[in-house]
Amino acid sequence: KQEVTQIPAALSVPEGENLVLNCSFTDSAIYNLQWFRQDPGKGLTSLLLIQSSQREQTSGRLNASLDKSSGRSTLYIAASQPGDSATYLCAVPTSGTYKYIFGTGTRLKVLA
Amino acid sequence: DAGVIQSPRHEVTEMGQEVTLRCKPISGHNSLFWYRQTMMRGLELLIYFNNNVPIDDSGMPEDRFSAKMPNASFSTLKIQPSEPRDSAVYFCASSLEGRAFFGQGTRLTVV
Repeated sequence: KQEVTQIPAALSVPEGENLVLNCSFTDSAIYNLQWFRQDPGKGLTSLLLIQSSQREQTSGRLNASLDKSSGRSTLYIAASQPGDSATYLCAVPTSGTYKYIFGTGTRLKVLA
Repeated sequence: DAGVIQSPRHEVTEMGQEVTLRCKPISGHNSLFWYRQTMMRGLELLIYFNNNVPIDDSGMPEDRFSAKMPNASFSTLKIQPSEPRDSAVYFCASSLEGRAFFGQGTRLTVV
């Protein structure tokens, strides 16, 4: 059974800092891994999708890496801004499916 | 495309009433998911359809919950009878071979 853990649960940083969010999963037989952002009272926005054959994906100030063998992914946010404040969730499918299991998220606050 | 569309956005109902949540996935997507989000349990997958066929409903909490996908452009999640512990935000998502797109959710309150 796929289990997804995210550390830290909450993070507060001053504007401009680079930061790393962590995601670990127990079943490495996955097609891909996704990172999402959720603003309070809103739905989830897909940020990055890493296929199982890839090691990283980049979009603007965001970079996500994937190490399947160790069951880990990191989301790196460069030069953080107050607008980055949100909850970040990673989602991993169970083995051989696209049935996504979510971590509990990291609640990020970037202080101006 | 307008994205995944859910209705209603908010629903308040009395215990024992039937509740129907609706979802229109993104055109061309072949997978559809219903999730429930609460503070205590986070995001839980309730049911997953592929090509309109229910593939895995192991997350449906009990027989009071049912979901249908009569065609590629519409799905419903029904709760009958509803109970206060069903209060949550219910999300629908669709995907095509990987990347999932979520609707804005339906906030359900059962009083």
